[in-house]
Amino acid sequence: QVQLQELGPGLVKPSQTLSLTCSVSGASVSSGTYYWSWIRQPAGKGLEWIGRIYTSGNPNYNPSLKSRVTMSLDTSKNQFSLNLTSVTAADTAVYYCAKLIRPQWYFDVWGRGTLVTVSS
Amino acid sequence: DIQMTQSPSSLSASIGDRVTITCRASQTISSYLNWYHQKPGKAPNLLIYAASSLQSGVPSRFSGSGSGTDFTLTISSLQPEDFATYYCQQSYSTPLTFGGGTKVEI
Repeated sequence: QVQLQELGPGLVKPSQTLSLTCSVSGASVSSGTYYWSWIRQPAGKGLEWIGRIYTSGNPNYNPSLKSRVTMSLDTSKNQFSLNLTSVTAADTAVYYCAKLIRPQWYFDVWGRGTLVTVSS
Repeated sequence: DIQMTQSPSSLSASIGDRVTITCRASQTISSYLNWYHQKPGKAPNLLIYAASSLQSGVPSRFSGSGSGTDFTLTISSLQPEDFATYYCQQSYSTPLTFGGGTKVEI
């Protein structure tokens, strides 16, 4: 059974970098079978896809965030990470990591989510 | 980006009711359409993928249909645990995008 868990600070100051890690159990991030993704949800609002990463090839980011986003894999720790630079209050949201199944590209396993608040 | 429009944005229903939620894509997406539901404070949960395939473990009262631009999620007999917000998601092209959600209330 695959499980995901988001880890990281719950409070980030404006203009700083938001850094989150997703710890994966029950599957290997380096297996090549799955893609790994981040999605966020501001309070009371809908879901926004941030990007996806795979063991081979370049990450794929949402163009709306592309200039500020970096995703990476850490195969030694079986986890993947999100960095979002120059954050503002608009980046305050619950951030989810998820497993992405191709070729239909649906999210079949989600982490519980972590609330990140951008405030001084 | 492909825009996904759900209707209605909210609905009221009773236990045992048949409920239908519609999702429309701004361009054709073939059958690259997935459905999730989300309860307050929880992560979304996959119900249907590829427009009409039931995810393992999801009750058979959930069904999906459609292709091209118009899609439907149907709950044949609403149960207490089905009161939640439902989202469609297109997976035809990146960026992957979601509908605005449909809140199903008592």
